[in-house]
Amino acid sequence: DAGITQSPRHKVTETGTPVTLRCHQTENHRYMYWYRQDPGHGLRLIHYSYGVKDTDKGEVSDGYSVSRSKTEDFLLTLESATSSQTSVYFCAISESPPGLWGDTQYFGPGTRLTVL
Amino acid sequence: AQKVTQAQTEISVVEKEDVTLDCVYETRDTTYYLFWYKQPPSGELVFLIRRNSFDEQNEISGRYSWNFQKSTSSFNFTITASQVVDSAVYFCALSEANYGGSQGNLIFGKGTKLSVKP
Repeated sequence: DAGITQSPRHKVTETGTPVTLRCHQTENHRYMYWYRQDPGHGLRLIHYSYGVKDTDKGEVSDGYSVSRSKTEDFLLTLESATSSQTSVYFCAISESPPGLWGDTQYFGPGTRLTVL
Repeated sequence: AQKVTQAQTEISVVEKEDVTLDCVYETRDTTYYLFWYKQPPSGELVFLIRRNSFDEQNEISGRYSWNFQKSTSSFNFTITASQVVDSAVYFCALSEANYGGSQGNLIFGKGTKLSVKP
């Protein structure tokens, strides 16, 4: 199994509060990703990183920011959480973009976030 | 535009039945990759298979097999003699090589929930 951990695994927060989710990898992979999973929508990409301090937006980036100060850590921040951000959040890693060489993305265990 | 369609939202079968999960994709690229992932009730996402657009050979792994047909833009997944442990949500995903719109990232279908009853 790829060495990916996410913290916290569960969180309940209130609307308007800031929330930070952490993804940590031990595989030294260059690429890291944040997805959200919602019923009827599958997995949708929020942001991704292609190196330290290098990040880009995904399909559903509004209301989210990310940071990557070390290869092994990728943080997802909800500056002011809203109920629409209640979801399960998955981190993933890969050595290169899947479209480049077909590298597999490996996923972390997920974080269940509830915004009341 | 790139897109992955899994038209079957939910499938229910009885143990030992064969079941096929459909995946249809859209892409303008000639080089692309297709993936299947499994998400059991415990919630983690497990990689099952990767296939590139130049390899149309079918793949078999135990009770699992995959049928890739470029002519119909499909990459279907068949489970033979299904078991209760196969109950999960299965996702098909596409990545394109030329960074046309997806920057080489994965585009997921919405998933098919398979329930295998004893």
